[in-house]
Amino acid sequence: DAGITQSPRHKVTETGTPVTLRCHQTENHRYMYWYRQDPGHGLRLIHYSYGVKDTDKGEVSDGYSVSRSKTEDFLLTLESATSSQTSVYFCAISDKQGNSNTGELFFGEGSRLTVL
Amino acid sequence: GDSVTQMEGPVTLSEEAFLTINCTYTATGYPSLFWYVQYPGEGLQLLLKATKADDKGSNKGFEATYRKETTSFHLEKGSVQVSDSAVYFCALSWNNRLAFGKGNQVVVIP
Repeated sequence: DAGITQSPRHKVTETGTPVTLRCHQTENHRYMYWYRQDPGHGLRLIHYSYGVKDTDKGEVSDGYSVSRSKTEDFLLTLESATSSQTSVYFCAISDKQGNSNTGELFFGEGSRLTVL
Repeated sequence: GDSVTQMEGPVTLSEEAFLTINCTYTATGYPSLFWYVQYPGEGLQLLLKATKADDKGSNKGFEATYRKETTSFHLEKGSVQVSDSAVYFCALSWNNRLAFGKGNQVVVIP
């Protein structure tokens, strides 16, 4: 299994509080992604990174920010959590560009966030 | 942007039945296509892939053929097992990321 660790795995928080989810990889892969999974929507890309300090927005980036100061860590921050951000969040990594593509995404086990 | 569409609704079938899950795509170029599987409580894992038209991806008895003329990548398995119960996602590569369909839950009854 690819070395991807997400933390925390479960979190309950209140509306308006900040939340940070961490993704840590031991594979030295260049690309890292944050997706959210919701019933009826499948997986939707929030943000992704193509290198240290290089990030870009996905299709549902509003209300989220990310940072990547080291190759191995990709942080997802909800500055002020809302109930609509209740979801399961998945980190994924890849060593190739998504459109080149034999590149495969390796996924973490997910972080379940509940915003009350 | 590029996208994939999966057939609506869960799929329930008996053990040893034939499984088909439909996937069609919309793309401006020639993306690679993927099927991912998610077992309960786990992240997604790659099931199979195809990188160009007419390629057939296969793994664990599952197959899918990249059909450019019908813009499709349907997943098939000839004889499902209870252990195949999972959620299946079709995906395509686009602009340095993967775009996923909404997924289909497959339940195989003994």
